[in-house]
Amino acid sequence: DAKTTQPNSMESNEEEPVHLPCNHSTISGTDYIHWYRQLPSQGPEYVIHGLTSNVNNRMASLAIAEDRKSSTLILHRATLRDAAVYYCILRAPNAGNMLTFGGGTRLMVKP
Amino acid sequence: GAVVSQHPSRVICKSGTSVKIECRSLDFQATTMFWYRQFPKKSLMLMATSNEGSKATYEQGVEKDKFLINHASLTLSTLTVTSAHPEDSSFYICSADRTDNNEQYFGPGTRLTVT
Repeated sequence: DAKTTQPNSMESNEEEPVHLPCNHSTISGTDYIHWYRQLPSQGPEYVIHGLTSNVNNRMASLAIAEDRKSSTLILHRATLRDAAVYYCILRAPNAGNMLTFGGGTRLMVKP
Repeated sequence: GAVVSQHPSRVICKSGTSVKIECRSLDFQATTMFWYRQFPKKSLMLMATSNEGSKATYEQGVEKDKFLINHASLTLSTLTVTSAHPEDSSFYICSADRTDNNEQYFGPGTRLTVT
């Protein structure tokens, strides 16, 4: 499985933007980049995914480097409810669609 | 959006008994569901892939006779922890693969405590 590397933790102030980085230097040409987040004592929640182009949805934006070896999840205005563990995962189509979770980044949001 | 439910949300059982956990996709069909376990402060670990109408595929190190998986319909998969022991205490999470949009949806998890 292609691996991802994320910082263990990050801190942000409420209502400020947050940029969560992810390195995936061994990504293959067909791997999708998925982001999930997990709030305490809950199952993971889908955030966003992309292949090559930057993506925006109501939750976040995903900026993908031109060489696809890294990506950044952008929360435009962090709220206290965004405090969670954020997982960056590479997903290969036609490979069972299984998700391999790494350590993720624990985001702490200060009021 | 798509919803996956799990039942029960938490269960306490005595050592040596069996516990069944249900995972349902509520508004979509899922030919494939996945079962994970998560220990405190750790990441999710895939236990097995559950395919509707066929045998589950277990990850290395996961005992198939201890963790029985049944995926009898396109909306339901069950995980039975047989002869549970305290070391089986964990947070068990299922997910369902929605093939029409390449997204995977997770259940809220089941916290199992074996005394």
